[in-house]
Amino acid sequence: GAVVSQHPSWVICKSGTSVKIECRSLDFQATTMFWYRQFPKQSLMLMATSNEGSKATYEQGVEKDKFLINHASLTLSTLTVTSAHPEDSSFYICSARATSDTEAFFGQGTRLTVV
Amino acid sequence: GQNIDQPTEMTATEGAIVQINCTYQTSGFNGLFWYQQHAGEAPTFLSYNVLDGLEEKGRFSSFLSRSKGYSYLLLKELQMKDSASYLCAVMDSNYQLIWGAGTKLIIKP
Repeated sequence: GAVVSQHPSWVICKSGTSVKIECRSLDFQATTMFWYRQFPKQSLMLMATSNEGSKATYEQGVEKDKFLINHASLTLSTLTVTSAHPEDSSFYICSARATSDTEAFFGQGTRLTVV
Repeated sequence: GQNIDQPTEMTATEGAIVQINCTYQTSGFNGLFWYQQHAGEAPTFLSYNVLDGLEEKGRFSSFLSRSKGYSYLLLKELQMKDSASYLCAVMDSNYQLIWGAGTKLIIKP
């Protein structure tokens, strides 16, 4: 299957700082990328959907000014967690798909710990 | 509203067969996916069903009945490495994935 690379795999940051997570589709052009967060023992929760070249669509309850999403090219989307707090500690996963009716491939996830 | 139901946890014995059920109610239907997720890792794709019937892929098979809003994932010849969470997800009319909470499968020797 197609490859989606997410970086970093894990990160520890201090409270109040910002963290950027990258999601790259390595062998296909991703018109749409999705960002999820997953708390322990819970299902994936969609945070936002981003289409290349346009603003991300955020799910209800997700602060767009806190979770900045950029999808500037067909192979790269970034999620920046601004002014991180301990409650933002979670597993963040991106997925990417080429077209609307194809499978979404997942990155390996980023475990964020805010201390 | 949209809803995906699957059992929270199941236990099975190594070498046996287990069936994980998933029922759904969604706004439109563009396919149902099963993913496997080991603790601390991202989900990995197992199967995709968009037409009724059984899709077999090695030790794993997936079944879909659109009229009943029902699917199951069948795992045969269970191995210890199959211990994981299994996520059912439905692609709705907007081509977004609606996720179930996952079924934690515990394999015992």
